[in-house]
Amino acid sequence: AQSVAQPEDQVNVAEGNPLTVKCTYSVSGNPYLFWYVQYPNRGLQFLLKYITGDNLVKGSYGFEAEFNKSQTSFHLKKPSALVSDSALYFCAVRASHTGGFKTIFGAGTRLFVKA
Amino acid sequence: DTAVSQTPKYLVTQMGNDKSIKCEQNLGHDTMYWYKQDSKKFLKIMFSYNNKELIINETVPNRFSPKSPDKAHLNLHINSLELGDSAVYFCASSQDRGQGLYEQYFGPGTRLTVT
Repeated sequence: AQSVAQPEDQVNVAEGNPLTVKCTYSVSGNPYLFWYVQYPNRGLQFLLKYITGDNLVKGSYGFEAEFNKSQTSFHLKKPSALVSDSALYFCAVRASHTGGFKTIFGAGTRLFVKA
Repeated sequence: DTAVSQTPKYLVTQMGNDKSIKCEQNLGHDTMYWYKQDSKKFLKIMFSYNNKELIINETVPNRFSPKSPDKAHLNLHINSLELGDSAVYFCASSQDRGQGLYEQYFGPGTRLTVT
């Protein structure tokens, strides 16, 4: 079955420290992977995606993600966390669907950055 | 300039009523989506339209009917509302044409409360 997993419901990190939000996936064919962020009472915002090419992908707000094919992972990272990074983060993957493809989202990981 | 807009932002109604949520995008995208986010923040696709044609129709009760009068608009009509329909509904759009390669742009959401 095609799926995406975010094993941590919540990640806590101190401001200025590096952060990692984990994501693993299971799809047939080439994986196309996305990260989105959701601030309270807002819609999701796109951060970055991996389609092909370099395994390290850079995105908005200083975030980056590393694609690891052997571990089927696409972890989100940032070298130095900000309090304003506190939000809900969703990993997403392209999955095959009748007649085409669709995007399936992970359950989300809540990031708390403490000052 | 709002890229994806939804109206209304909040909707409180009683069981058994019929209601509609409207969505408009000014990004020139061909594909639009409706998602449901439940109280645990799980995000699930309901429908997807590409240039006014339905391409994704997940397991959604027949009480939910999307309508796309043109490729910039995708409305969601819900008949005979039930308590379990209470959720936040997000509209999104993408330049994707069914390949799943492009990011999605989300509206601010409509919080539906059924009493």
